[in-house]
Amino acid sequence: AQRVTQPEKLLSVFKGAPVELKCNYSYSGSPELFWYVQYSRQRLQLLLRHISRESIKGFTADLNKGETSFHLKKPFAQEEDSAMYYCALSGKRRYNTDKLIFGTGTRLQVFP
Amino acid sequence: EAGVTQFPSHSVIEKGQTVTLRCDPISGHDNLYWYRRVMGKEIKFLLHFVKESKQDESGMPNNRFLAERTGGTYSTLKVQPAELEDSGVYFCASSQEVRDRVNEQFFGPGTRLTVL
Repeated sequence: AQRVTQPEKLLSVFKGAPVELKCNYSYSGSPELFWYVQYSRQRLQLLLRHISRESIKGFTADLNKGETSFHLKKPFAQEEDSAMYYCALSGKRRYNTDKLIFGTGTRLQVFP
Repeated sequence: EAGVTQFPSHSVIEKGQTVTLRCDPISGHDNLYWYRRVMGKEIKFLLHFVKESKQDESGMPNNRFLAERTGGTYSTLKVQPAELEDSGVYFCASSQEVRDRVNEQFFGPGTRLTVL
């Protein structure tokens, strides 16, 4: 079964501390993994995708196929990073549909 | 560019009533998706249109839900009759079609549906 697991509902850190939001997935094949973010009073938006291998707003995420994980990391959290973060996967090549399968989300709170 | 728009932003109805949600995708996006987030749970896929055709409707919960996309532009999602468990936030997203690649989906602000 296709599934995305985000074990933490809430993650609270102080400004400047490192952040790691965990994401594990279950999928038969080669999925594409994404992190979406929803800031307060804003719409859900793409933060980064694993195939891009880029850093956005200081965040990075590495796909670990052996551990089936796609954890989101940032070395120094900022207050403006406070938001809801969703890990998601899609498997277009296999099923010819690119619907997103989301995790339950992790709320990140960065305190000053 | 206004992005994906959804109407209404909020809807409060009584059990048994009918509600129709509307989504206007980004102009030129052939793909349109509906998702739903029920309180405390994950965002779940409902269905996917490619132009006016239903590509995947595997997430539609039951036959009380009817989605249409006449003309391949805007889409409507009708719930008839509404039940208490239909309460949640309904998101619409759209994307351009790129072969052999998962497209970036752009989300609307959502419609918060409350069924009393």
